[in-house]
Amino acid sequence: DQQVKQNSPSLSVQEGRISILNCDYTNSMFDYFLWYKKYPAEGPTFLISISSIKDKNEDGRFTVFLNKSAKHLSLHIVPSQPGDSAVYFCAAKTGGFKTIFGAGTRLFVKA
Amino acid sequence: EAGVAQSPRYKIIEKRQSVAFWCNPISGHATLYWYQQILGQGPKLLIQFQNNGVVDDSQLPKDRFSAERLKGVDSTLKIQPAKLEDSAVYLCASSFTQGASREKLFFGSGTQLSVL
Repeated sequence: DQQVKQNSPSLSVQEGRISILNCDYTNSMFDYFLWYKKYPAEGPTFLISISSIKDKNEDGRFTVFLNKSAKHLSLHIVPSQPGDSAVYFCAAKTGGFKTIFGAGTRLFVKA
Repeated sequence: EAGVAQSPRYKIIEKRQSVAFWCNPISGHATLYWYQQILGQGPKLLIQFQNNGVVDDSQLPKDRFSAERLKGVDSTLKIQPAKLEDSAVYLCASSFTQGASREKLFFGSGTQLSVL
C-alpha cells in the first residue's frame, strides 16, 4: 500500500530554470510533509517541510506547495543549479509518528 | 556536531549467512530508526526505538531480523540467515524526540548489503 507516491522516477532541467517535483498521498490523516535530498553514497538530508495547516512554505530557492483537497504537494527549485542534482524523497507523517517515504525522483540539472 | 555514524559501509555475504550493522546516533537523540532502502524504492521503516524501548517493529521480519539498542545509545541490526531479497541499503536515523510532528530525521550514510 503506497501511501506516498512520486510518479516521476526522474526529471531533467536546464541550469537556471525551475525544477518542479511532485508528490501525491492517499492518507488524509497525514499532518506534516517533508522533503529529503539524497546524494550518492550518502544518507538523505532534510530539505524543507510544511504543515497541513499551510499551503506554502518557502526557504531560499526552495518552495513547497500543499494542495490538501487534491492530496498533492510539490517542491519548486528556482533557479536550479547543478549541485541540486540528487534524489528527492517526499515524506509524510501522522501525529508525530512513523515517517512514510515516496520512492524518490532523481533530478538532473544540466549546466 | 557529529552526525549519525554507521558501519560497515559495504558488506557482501552469501545467502544463509549472518550479518550485523552498527549505528551510533547523534548525541542526545532519544529516538533511533532503522530503515531498509531497496534500489528504486524509498526508505522503509524496519524498527523504531525510543531510548532503549521498541516503539514500532511492525515491518521487521522477525524470523530473521533482530535489533537492539543497549543503554539507549548505540544500536545493532542483525540478519540471520540472509536472503537474496535482503540486498539493500540499511539506513540508521535519529531524532531528538518522537512525539513532535515537526521532528526531522538525521540519517547516517548507510550500509550497502549485497547478498549473493
